[in-house]
Amino acid sequence: DIQMTQSPSSVSASVGDRVTITCRASQSINSWLAWYQQKPGKAPKLLIFAASRLQSGVPLRFSGTRSGTEFTLTISSLQPEDFATYYCQQANNFPLTFGGGTTVEIK
Amino acid sequence: QVQLQESGPGLVKPSETLSLTCTVSGDSITNYFWNWLRQPPGKALEWIGYIYHSGTTNYNPSLKNRVTISVDTSKNQFSLKMTSATAADTAVYYCARDGTGGYHAWDYWGQGALVTVSS
Repeated sequence: DIQMTQSPSSVSASVGDRVTITCRASQSINSWLAWYQQKPGKAPKLLIFAASRLQSGVPLRFSGTRSGTEFTLTISSLQPEDFATYYCQQANNFPLTFGGGTTVEIK
Repeated sequence: QVQLQESGPGLVKPSETLSLTCTVSGDSITNYFWNWLRQPPGKALEWIGYIYHSGTTNYNPSLKNRVTISVDTSKNQFSLKMTSATAADTAVYYCARDGTGGYHAWDYWGQGALVTVSS
């Protein structure tokens, strides 16, 4: 199985901050990567797929990039509703696998 | 508006079969791939498997042949059965739609159903 390693596991930030979350794949997954946001007690919400394609309705402050097997989710200006846990997910090989999650907390 | 709703017992005894159904509204189940995922309390997500309306399935090998996903197109539903349940299967179970045109990502999710495996 492809292992997805997310870092950091948690980050403390303030409203307006730029936040970057990284996900590294254990082998090449091309651009087959998605990012999700999950709030407590809720289902995950798709933010980005194919590494950089913004899902319909997702604010433009969210963006995704790829460099080899390293992927980055950036929130350009953190908003109060963005405090949540974020997961990456590889979609290149079965079984589909997730990273361990990054919690964005209020500083 | 696409909606998915999980239903089924919230408590399952060890060694018994865990069964859940996902009812889809606002979309035909003959479109897209339909998935089951789960999330143990405080842990990350795990993909269980998917089904297409034709009956084509794909499962996570880690579940060691305990899983069966089926579809009922007449009811616009798909279902999950997991045999020989143990405490490790205690989780919130989600059904989800892969509507990203083959990118294997999930754009619509159910609200989740907590299933506890305990005697």
